[in-house]
Amino acid sequence: DIQMTQSPSSLSAFVGDRVNITCRASQSISSYLNWYEQKPGKAPKLLVYAASSLQSGVPSRFSGSGSETDFTLTISSLQPEDFATYYCQQSYSTPPAFGQGTKVEIK
Amino acid sequence: QVQLQQSGPGLVKPSQTLSLTCAISGDSVSSNSAAWNWIRQSPSRGLEWLGRTYYRSKWYNDYAASVRSRISINPDTSKNQLSLHLSSVTPADTAVYYCARDRLLGDTQFDYWGQGTLVTVSS
Repeated sequence: DIQMTQSPSSLSAFVGDRVNITCRASQSISSYLNWYEQKPGKAPKLLVYAASSLQSGVPSRFSGSGSETDFTLTISSLQPEDFATYYCQQSYSTPPAFGQGTKVEIK
Repeated sequence: QVQLQQSGPGLVKPSQTLSLTCAISGDSVSSNSAAWNWIRQSPSRGLEWLGRTYYRSKWYNDYAASVRSRISINPDTSKNQLSLHLSSVTPADTAVYYCARDRLLGDTQFDYWGQGTLVTVSS
């Protein structure tokens, strides 16, 4: 099975900061990588699919990049509503696997 | 707009069977492109995919190895819903359980989720 590792596990940032979250796959997954946002008490929400495609309705300050084993989710200018936990998920093979999450907190 | 509405008990006794239902609106459990999944989340295991059911001229199921001997996911076409049954539960099965749509089997993207059901396994 493919393992997904995110870093950092948590970060503190100011509103307006640029934030990068990284995700590494245990083997090459091409561009089969998705990103989700989860707020407390809510289900995850799909933000980015196929490594760099923005899901409909997601603000353009979110972007994804990377391929093979290394991927990045970037928030270009952090907004108050972006404080949440972010997860990557590989869709290259079954079982689909998630990273352990990165919690973005207010500094 | 796809909506997934979960129902089922929030408390299950050890060794019993956990059963949840996910009612689908805005799509069909018999869709020829989507797949219907169960995923759980706990502090110890994080987000864990449990399995899925999908229809491609006939019904198929895939299950995670960790629960394969105990799990069953069943479609109900008359009610347009799917169910999860997890037998012989232990406290380690305590988690929030979600149903989710994978919009394109083969490139698993979970674009719609149920509201989540906290299931506690305790006597």
